[in-house]
Amino acid sequence: EIVLTQSPGTLSLSPGERATLSCRASQSLSSSYFGWYQQTPGQAPRLLIYGASSRATGIPDRFSGSGSGTDFTLTISRLEPEDFAVYFCHQYGSSPLTFGGGTKVEIK
Amino acid sequence: QVQLVQSGAEVKKPGASVKVSCKASGYTFTTYYIHWVRRAPGQGLEWMGVINPSGGDTSYAQRFQGRVTMTRDTSTSTVYMELSSLRCEDTAVYYCAKVGRSSSWYSAFDIWGQGTMVTVSP
Repeated sequence: EIVLTQSPGTLSLSPGERATLSCRASQSLSSSYFGWYQQTPGQAPRLLIYGASSRATGIPDRFSGSGSGTDFTLTISRLEPEDFAVYFCHQYGSSPLTFGGGTKVEIK
Repeated sequence: QVQLVQSGAEVKKPGASVKVSCKASGYTFTTYYIHWVRRAPGQGLEWMGVINPSGGDTSYAQRFQGRVTMTRDTSTSTVYMELSSLRCEDTAVYYCAKVGRSSSWYSAFDIWGQGTMVTVSP
């Protein structure tokens, strides 16, 4: 099973600041099968990034994904009020599919 | 528009079973695999398994093997997830999610149901 470890657990930032979220895999995986989701309280997760760096439909360009092998990054260039949420990384190339534990981006 | 609509909240006793439905609309039901994922209070997302709406074949996470059954009804474009021998630790929000790429279940989840809260309490 591929274990995904996200860091930090919580990120305290102000609107307008840049957020950098990390996800490390326990073994190398294909970037074609890696993504990021955003979840706000009471809502279902929303796909942000697939294939490590491709934005999903309707996702603003302040969200970007990068990385390969075992290290992946989600960057939010300038935080908007609606971006304060929990973010999960996800590998979907190897069964069992797994998710990271999440990073909460909170208002400082 | 493409959407997945799930059944309502459930409250169950330990040892009971629960069956959650997920009705698809706005796309060709048999073309895209559907996964089930849950999130327990204060925890992360946990993958439970996947069903092929076309052939009905399934693959389950090992930790749920023997307790989970996923089925589909093509006449109503609905998939079902039944979890048996419920324990308090199964209290969670259960989500269905459609893959974004046709004919493969190794794909990101582009559309999610709204979630179904299942509470297991004595």
